[in-house]
Amino acid sequence: KNEVEQSPQNLTAQEGEFITINCSYSVGISALHWLQQHPGGGIVSLFMLSSGKKKHGRLIATINIQEKHSSLHITASHPRDSAVYICAAFSNTGNQFYFGTGTSLTVIP
Amino acid sequence: EAQVTQNPRYLITVTGKKLTVTCSQNMNHEYMSWYRQDPGLGLRQIYYSMNVEVTDKGDVPEGYKVSRKEKRNFPLILESPSPNQTSLYFCASSLSGLYGYTFGSGTRLTVV
Repeated sequence: KNEVEQSPQNLTAQEGEFITINCSYSVGISALHWLQQHPGGGIVSLFMLSSGKKKHGRLIATINIQEKHSSLHITASHPRDSAVYICAAFSNTGNQFYFGTGTSLTVIP
Repeated sequence: EAQVTQNPRYLITVTGKKLTVTCSQNMNHEYMSWYRQDPGLGLRQIYYSMNVEVTDKGDVPEGYKVSRKEKRNFPLILESPSPNQTSLYFCASSLSGLYGYTFGSGTRLTVV
């Protein structure tokens, strides 16, 4: 049983397309994190959400606490957005992290 | 520069030979944690620490030990490594779990 489910697992898009990655979780959370892992392997923290919506450049993250669902949107996608995007739920009982298996995004010029 | 430093980046070792992967952060973060990443399984938490001398097991703690004697350092110890511990390991730190995370560059460990 996975506490965090992401979809899709793989995504290929044309440059300029609007992209949505979905994350559903089953645990109670204090926060929901979105991470980006580049082909070289390094991981960068994109967003931390506990409610509502956050925006950073072309990236937008939303969370619906009642539905236990979060989305990451990329507007006007670019080849440099190609990476694995990982959703991570920070549990409110035990300070543990639960991770989705990631969405591999490829943006084609 | 604010960073999490992991060493070594690559390590090949033999079964049963004790090893330590070091992790150090310069941001005065309270929360530090270790993860392993395996194909098809994604990231899984091994151990985490909320503060000095406070450590807790994550999802996959078997075969690993940690210590948090100082705020900046959180080493991962494999007392008797086995081939199923071959993986990519990440250390990360945060002010607390409710803030953004800074990850180390990763350690690729191979146990033969």
